[in-house]
Amino acid sequence: RKEVEQDPGPFNVPEGATVAFNCTYSNSASQSFFWYRQDCRKEPKLLMSVYSSGNEDGRFTAQLNRASQYISLLIRDSKLSDSATYLCVVRSGYSTLTFGKGTMLLVSP
Amino acid sequence: DAGVTQSPTHLIKTRGQQVTLRCSPISGHKSVSWYQQVLGQGPQFIFQYYEKEERGRGNFPDRFSARQFPNYSSELNVNALLLGDSALYLCASSKEDSTNYNSPLHFGNGTRLTVT
Repeated sequence: RKEVEQDPGPFNVPEGATVAFNCTYSNSASQSFFWYRQDCRKEPKLLMSVYSSGNEDGRFTAQLNRASQYISLLIRDSKLSDSATYLCVVRSGYSTLTFGKGTMLLVSP
Repeated sequence: DAGVTQSPTHLIKTRGQQVTLRCSPISGHKSVSWYQQVLGQGPQFIFQYYEKEERGRGNFPDRFSARQFPNYSSELNVNALLLGDSALYLCASSKEDSTNYNSPLHFGNGTRLTVT
């Protein structure tokens, strides 16, 4: 089993749609969790950290279920500019981040 | 404030050659990590340095080595290049210290290495 697994994608959605990405991780000792966004041929950029209580940042909501080792990202009212690859990231050591393969989102007019 | 800077941005090498990639972290960040991203995959952890000491190493062969300097900048060296080393090499820095390792990583633009 891969350490971090994500929906394979791509997800094609119209503007204004709500889209959800799922991620599972295998290491139960994992300590912190993030969603990063990566545009084509660019570096990953932190979208948001993920907390056990769930957290929201504008149109973005992240959830963590430690018991199920499951992380999710919900994007409401999708914009064209949301088109990117979304990377689920888990920290299990000092600074070692384990990335999922990423899920590509394409928002169309 | 400048972000994480990497050089060069692009590099073309032939098999068997050696390459050195450079990274300057965000001012005040003492931790530097290196990641390799092959097309279509997520970044894979190579090394992490904190206060000039290696804190972690990913599953990469000994052809890969790195170091961190007193000013916290870092170099990644790859010897005896193989075609499969062609990738985007990302450097990331974070604020963390020995008691707080929850700081997110901030990535540089990367060095795109092509091995022919």
